[in-house]
Amino acid sequence: NAGVTQTPKFQVLKTGQSMTLQCAQDMNHEYMSWYRQDPGMGLRLIHYSVGAGITDQGEVPNGYNVSRSTTEDFPLRLLSAAPSQTSVYFCAGGNYGYTFGSGTRLTVV
Amino acid sequence: GNSVTQMEGPVTLSEEAFLTINCTYTATGYPSLFWYVQYPGEGLQLLLKATKADDKGSNKGFEATYRKETTSFHLEKGSVQVSDSAVYFCALISGAGSYQLTFGKGTKLSVIP
Repeated sequence: NAGVTQTPKFQVLKTGQSMTLQCAQDMNHEYMSWYRQDPGMGLRLIHYSVGAGITDQGEVPNGYNVSRSTTEDFPLRLLSAAPSQTSVYFCAGGNYGYTFGSGTRLTVV
Repeated sequence: GNSVTQMEGPVTLSEEAFLTINCTYTATGYPSLFWYVQYPGEGLQLLLKATKADDKGSNKGFEATYRKETTSFHLEKGSVQVSDSAVYFCALISGAGSYQLTFGKGTKLSVIP
């Protein structure tokens, strides 16, 4: 039982490139979310989903897209990477006691 | 809106010392409260939680009591170990039907032998 699996663990992008951060959960939970973690800022919610086909914006959604075609998967897409998106990204799923993935460390140069 | 304020770190303690990390909150409605721990290079793990006033969450020797009158949820441990070195986050969920966690900025704890 892996819980929440994120890939890749590390990624370097050039400004303007696009990419998708993958997140998969095997807990059959309806709720999933994406956070970014920056020094001194704690964790901030990017997007979230309360079930397949339902997504909504969090605190810092600009520059990111999400979709939820299945309960298991919740990918995060960076449309045109910017240096300000250099961060550590965490996917989480669950219900009042979320399970977090191990994170994706993204650097945009 | 919702917010969480934690004591700023870093906090450095000797092994077997008593730990307190303060956490206060502002929330609409009646929040559920959480402490998460993040070990170096890892994701966040739920440490403990409390869902109503006067509830005490506990796990691995850590405790926190939901104090509605002081809007606080301070984390305590009687005797810390080197393996407790990590970043600790206080968080809440509040609002009808909400699943969104609001985090504090985190407190880094270092325990020295």
